[in-house]
Amino acid sequence: QVQLQESGPGLVKPSETLSLTCTVSGGSISDYYWSWLRQSPGKELEWIGYISYSGNTNYNPSLRSRVTISLDTSKKQFSLKVNSVTAADTAVYYCATGAGWYEYWGQGTLVTVSS
Amino acid sequence: QSALTQPASVSGSPGQSITISCTGTSSDIGGHNYVSWYQQHPGEVPKLMIYDVSNRPSGVSNRFSGSKSGNTASLTISGLQAEDEADYYCNSYSSSGTSYVFGTGTKVTVL
Repeated sequence: QVQLQESGPGLVKPSETLSLTCTVSGGSISDYYWSWLRQSPGKELEWIGYISYSGNTNYNPSLRSRVTISLDTSKKQFSLKVNSVTAADTAVYYCATGAGWYEYWGQGTLVTVSS
Repeated sequence: QSALTQPASVSGSPGQSITISCTGTSSDIGGHNYVSWYQQHPGEVPKLMIYDVSNRPSGVSNRFSGSKSGNTASLTISGLQAEDEADYYCNSYSSSGTSYVFGTGTKVTVL
């Protein structure tokens, strides 16, 4: 069974870059698409984007100008960068398998944007 | 693009059946069979319950079933149990922007 673990800073200053990494274990990096999602406190889930094993990406149009997802197959990791963050980017960030439906999820990491 | 519309809350007594609706447009639910449903207990990670409109992942109880008619998808929980009390979210592919959109979420209460 695939296991995912997010890591990265829990506090980011406004206008700076949010960076998170998801480490994959128990499965092959080539078996899935890899997605990032987030959930603001008390709000619905939001899909951020995904990357395929071959490196193809697709991003939420509302975030496309500020988001980059990358993949490091040798480390079995994929990463998320969100530029120019504001308080509206405060959320629990999840990494997950799949594109369209998400079977395996990380535990989530809370990222707060505040000075 | 806008979130899919779900009722804020649905309730039922143990043993009853309930249905949660998820309404979108012809660009998302109505135009594709890529609808999935997630269960989320407070403080926990979302769990995949249904994918591709009506398919259940291994390990998910057959009390959960999914369907779609026009621009509306539905999740039915039969034989309602206390452990089913949670938030439920739908998700669909959207050709408007080539992305994926979630529903507003429904809180299920077992009376």
